[in-house]
Amino acid sequence: KAGVTQTPRYLIKTRGQQVTLSCSPISGHRSVSWYQQTPGQGLQFLFEYFSETQRNKGNFPGRFSGRQFSNSRSEMNVSTLELGDSALYLCASSSHLTGEGFRGYTFGSGTRLTVV
Amino acid sequence: GENVEQHPSTLSVQEGDSAVIKCTYSDSASNYFPWYKQELGKRPQLIIDIRSNVGEKKDQRIAVTLNKTAKHFSLHITETQPEDSAVYFCAASNMAGTASKLTFGTGTRLQVTL
Repeated sequence: KAGVTQTPRYLIKTRGQQVTLSCSPISGHRSVSWYQQTPGQGLQFLFEYFSETQRNKGNFPGRFSGRQFSNSRSEMNVSTLELGDSALYLCASSSHLTGEGFRGYTFGSGTRLTVV
Repeated sequence: GENVEQHPSTLSVQEGDSAVIKCTYSDSASNYFPWYKQELGKRPQLIIDIRSNVGEKKDQRIAVTLNKTAKHFSLHITETQPEDSAVYFCAASNMAGTASKLTFGTGTRLQVTL
């Protein structure tokens, strides 16, 4: 089956602009999480959505937001972009979050955002 | 919140040798510990995971051990091959309840030399 699909793969934006990234999870997966990966900070959790509800949020400013649609596809939005927002944004999907039914998170290939 | 420390940051081994990467975590409630491999320019891929009710898990050349008392877990790769060269990340999570997140270590760059 198809993996986690993230679009676009690359983005270049100017400071102050906003950006929307998209993630389509593996078919049947209802949980979508977002992570920011930078050389200095590593992989950091942004937020997690399940059945269109945000269930967990990391320590990022309010400029970072997201949503999930009824088909489990998710988008994240970053407003008023700063140079420090340049990073690889990774989306991960999973089918269950608890119990022995959990099979781990599958990551997409990411969107590389460059803010100039 | 959870904090995961990972060592070493870089590791160079000769082909055929073993490699060990160690992680410690701070939150005693964490009960799920995955390991991800990320090759250059590619997505992180889950290679093995372990739950807190198990002390050791093995999958071919890869094994993970967990010491809940000491709050540390390790990745062991035996008979290393050049294709094992990548960055490896450990992570910890509390899978209880209805929401969770992965807290990652800072990564270990493994280089397998011929």
